Amino acid sequence: AQTVTQSQPEMSVQEAETVTLSCTYDTSESDYYLFWYKQPPSRQMILVIRQEAYKQQNATENRFSVNFQKAAKSFSLKISDSQLGDAAMYFCAYRSASNHNDMRFGAGTRLTVKP
Amino acid sequence: GAVVSQHPSRVICKSGTSVKIECRSLDFQATTMFWYRQFPKQSLMLMATSNEGSKATYEQGVEKDKFLINHASLTLSTLTVTSAHPEDSSFYICSAGLAGASSYNEQFFGPGTRLTVL
Repeated sequence: AQTVTQSQPEMSVQEAETVTLSCTYDTSESDYYLFWYKQPPSRQMILVIRQEAYKQQNATENRFSVNFQKAAKSFSLKISDSQLGDAAMYFCAYRSASNHNDMRFGAGTRLTVKP
Repeated sequence: GAVVSQHPSRVICKSGTSVKIECRSLDFQATTMFWYRQFPKQSLMLMATSNEGSKATYEQGVEKDKFLINHASLTLSTLTVTSAHPEDSSFYICSAGLAGASSYNEQFFGPGTRLTVL
């Protein structure tokens, strides 16, 4: 079974600075999808960014970008120009391409943004 | 677009009673809906996957007789916690997969329901 590991339970960043959240995963599949979700205090899950495994180019969404290293099975999230509203739990998730119902989440990283 | 609602957002019930949680896709048809459970400061754990018109598929360790799932239409799935006990207190989140989805097969999440069993 696929597993997703987030080794940083908590991270802190100064407002306007850059922070990188780590995520590694274990899979024997060659095609899959990776996601970063944000869960603010409201508990609503919000999709931040997504990556298809067959694409070599790293996904970017405004201040959010990923460093996808397929061979290393690593999928880190970089948040640039951090804002107070970025403070939340961040979950890395893996979804199989062959079984679209199989989505696995990491344990999460709590990000604090200091003013 | 792609909004998922849950009702109720919070529910408090007495031990032994049953509680029904609704999950609706408001502006799209969802062939598949997912139910997750999230304990405080923990990740989402998939409980079951439901497809419209068929029986739900439960994850290992989830009691199907305790957590009844009905997916009667392409826009509604319900989770009923039967004979609830304090250990069932948790945050329950549903998500819906878009019918005829793109390659991402993205799930859209509801806002969650906090269940407290006294």
